Amino acid sequence: DIQMTQSPSSLSASVGDRVTITCQASQDIDNYLSWYQQKPGKAPQLLIYDPSDLQTRVPSRFSGSGSGTDFTFTISSLQPEDVATYYCQQYHSLPYTFGQGTRLEIK
Amino acid sequence: QVQLVQSGAEVKKPGSSVKVSCKASGGTFSSYAINWVRQAPGQGLEWMGGIIPIFDTVDYAQKFQGRLTITADKSTITAYMELNSLRSEDTALYYCASSGLGYQLFPLGYWGQGTLVTVSS
Repeated sequence: DIQMTQSPSSLSASVGDRVTITCQASQDIDNYLSWYQQKPGKAPQLLIYDPSDLQTRVPSRFSGSGSGTDFTFTISSLQPEDVATYYCQQYHSLPYTFGQGTRLEIK
Repeated sequence: QVQLVQSGAEVKKPGSSVKVSCKASGGTFSSYAINWVRQAPGQGLEWMGGIIPIFDTVDYAQKFQGRLTITADKSTITAYMELNSLRSEDTALYYCASSGLGYQLFPLGYWGQGTLVTVSS
């Protein structure tokens, strides 16, 4: 199985900060990566896929980059409503594994 | 706009089976593929399997091989996830999710509301 390792596991930042989360795959997954946001008590929501395409109606402060094994998810200016857990997922090879999640809080 | 509505919460005994449904609207069923993802209490997301009705293909995570069956009823536009030989570790929130595309499983742009399955004696 491909292991997806997210870093950090949790972080605290201030409103307006630039926030970066990384996701490393244990083997080459080309561009088959997406990022999801999950707020407490809610289903996950797709933010980014392939791995830099912004999902429809997702604010432009969210962005993604990378290919191969190393990927980055960025929030350019953190907003209070961005408090959530963020997951990466590879869809290159079965089983289509998720990262362990990054919990984002406001400082 | 694809909408996925799942069946209600279930409480099951260890060793029994559970079948969760996911009814789609906003398109023809053959227009999109359905995945099943679960989340144990306080834990992360785990992909279980997926079905592409137009190709009649089903993929499963090896971890669930032999215990998991994913099917689709095109006439009622409903997908099903059946998990057998339940154990306490299967207690989780089970989501169906779709790409909204008929020919590929990902990315997961549409999610159901989740179905809580509790396994307890």
